[in-house]
Amino acid sequence: DAGITQSPRYKITETGRQVTLMCHQTWSHSYMFWYRQDLGHGLRLIYYSAAADITDKGEVPDGYVVSRSKTENFPLTLESATRSQTSVYFCASRGRDREETQYFGPGTRLLVL
Amino acid sequence: SQKIEQNSEALNIQEGKTATLTCNYTNYSPAYLQWYRQDPGRGPVFLLLIRENEKEKRKERLKVTFDTTLKQSLFHITASQPADSATYLCALDTGGFKTIFGAGTRLFVKA
Repeated sequence: DAGITQSPRYKITETGRQVTLMCHQTWSHSYMFWYRQDLGHGLRLIYYSAAADITDKGEVPDGYVVSRSKTENFPLTLESATRSQTSVYFCASRGRDREETQYFGPGTRLLVL
Repeated sequence: SQKIEQNSEALNIQEGKTATLTCNYTNYSPAYLQWYRQDPGRGPVFLLLIRENEKEKRKERLKVTFDTTLKQSLFHITASQPADSATYLCALDTGGFKTIFGAGTRLFVKA
């Protein structure tokens, strides 16, 4: 199906474990983004990517790693999960023009115990 | 520092009335501003974009204004319906590749 998907939708893990959240889009959009959403903070940008093999930090990158070997995929890895990383994570994609709409995935709810 | 503020308190209105949501920002000069809708358990969905040289934009029952002097955008839903109940986010262009989002305002429309 066309669109942007995230997996898993729900994840429970323990502190210190490595977790990878997957994001896949079928539009061949150049830009992809990872946000976290916490009560009272709204959406905060973790990392973004302008194209395959081009990534850059956002507002809250510490503790996260991204890669983008293919245009359609943009995985987010928590190298050693902490309780403060409990959040809802959204992936988004957008075309080259910065006025273009960002399309968001359904989100991944992550609980770190 | 750059800051976006939306009404943190929920807005409760009666069906058929006009809902007005506010987005204020400081230390930005955005070229455009966007409004998104977010339903519980879902990702945000784009609604409208308004550019800095546009005072007002409309789409069906939605109207957005953008006052760059006041550094404020107003989002109106006319003839509101219970199905309009959701959280509404404003988002600002930062002049680069990134968009900055407000925390959102929850709207409840009572039948």
